[in-house]
Amino acid sequence: EVQLVESGGGLVKPGGSLRLSCAASGFTFSSYSMNWVRQAPGKGLEWVSSISSSSSYIYYADSVKGRFTISRDNAKNSLYLQMNSLRAEDTAVYYCARDGILLANRFDYWGQGTLVTVSS
Amino acid sequence: QSALTQPASVSGSPGQSITISCTGTSSDVGGYNYVSWYQQHPGKAPKLMIYDVSNRPSGVSNRFSGSKSGNTASLTISGLQAEDEADYYCSSYTSSSTLVFGTGTKVTVL
Repeated sequence: EVQLVESGGGLVKPGGSLRLSCAASGFTFSSYSMNWVRQAPGKGLEWVSSISSSSSYIYYADSVKGRFTISRDNAKNSLYLQMNSLRAEDTAVYYCARDGILLANRFDYWGQGTLVTVSS
Repeated sequence: QSALTQPASVSGSPGQSITISCTGTSSDVGGYNYVSWYQQHPGKAPKLMIYDVSNRPSGVSNRFSGSKSGNTASLTISGLQAEDEADYYCSSYTSSSTLVFGTGTKVTVL
């Protein structure tokens, strides 16, 4: 069974940092592109970042470029999102999602999400 | 990149058909066939319902269908059921090598 489990969310002050993790199981992690998508409370979905299976290709939304870094460790079946210089508007539930082809937008499996709250 | 435009809400009675539109530009919806639709129930993660404009993943009911004309994609739900009440989001690949989601549509089953 495919499973994606996010962790690392929590309360952080503006300007602070946080590292999210996504543990994958039930499929060959190294064969899939992976993504982060977020959803602010009561709002819609927003794509954050994508990384190819071998980490050769990485893409970011303009809203997080220069502040967030996506990475993966295929040996540990894990996806990460390093978030720096956090702002109130980064408050959201962060989901990791699997994609068969980089940027093909076929997010067939999602995690349950982890909540990040940026507040003083 | 601005969000794709969807109607805020659509409603229908059980058994009816409804269609949700998703309007973008030639730089996203109109330029590529990487358009997907996601269903999200309250407090749950999104679920992929349609990919590549009109393809259904295994396990998704054939009551859900997708299409595209120009810069507008559409999701049609036929034979509306109570369990279809949820939020629906379209998304598309863009010419900037990014992805963009729609504003979301709340479907209500009357």
